[in-house]
Amino acid sequence: EAQVTQNPRYLITVTGKKLTVTCSQNMNHEYMSWYRQDPGLGLRQIYYSMNVEVTDKGDVPEGYKVSRKEKRNFPLILESPSPNQTSLYFCASSLGPDSYEQYFGPGTRLTVT
Amino acid sequence: QQPVQSPQAVILREGEDAVINCSSSKALYSVHWYRQKHGEAPIFLMILLKGGEQKGHDKISASFNEKKQQSSLYLTASQLSYSGTYFCGTEADYKLSFGAGTTVTVRA
Repeated sequence: EAQVTQNPRYLITVTGKKLTVTCSQNMNHEYMSWYRQDPGLGLRQIYYSMNVEVTDKGDVPEGYKVSRKEKRNFPLILESPSPNQTSLYFCASSLGPDSYEQYFGPGTRLTVT
Repeated sequence: QQPVQSPQAVILREGEDAVINCSSSKALYSVHWYRQKHGEAPIFLMILLKGGEQKGHDKISASFNEKKQQSSLYLTASQLSYSGTYFCGTEADYKLSFGAGTTVTVRA
């Protein structure tokens, strides 16, 4: 089954404790991206990757890091989480950013206290 | 820059129609539409491409005015299953930007 998986689905952590949210897709997609969703603000892109070893900032990259060492995986790293990073996070993948459907993962709800 | 959606919310009775608008300050090559149910991931509805090509959902239609940099999603003869939040998305320089969303509630 074609899918995007994310782990963990729920995470409660404390300020400053490094964490990683994993994202994996099995569709051989080149384009992968991370979004955060906050009430009233919709989906905002954090980082995207056009292919292995090619990543770039989206609209809200501050406080986040990503890596793309393999085509299928695109982890999101919070080196020193803060309460304003409490949000719902989605990973997505597609053949490209413009004329192709984005496949979204199930989401990760992160709470930073 | 995020596209602007309107209205923010709409309440319908089953069988009624609604239109959701999406506008951008940038020239558009394509417009995406997604629907999200509460607590779930966004689901693809359709993509409209410059030049008129359309890919996606059979039962929901949309238009794309390239000159005005606007798109509209038409919910016709709404069903209870149409409830959710609708997002439009636009692409520029490989970045995808989504609007803040339009919450649609369909009541029996």
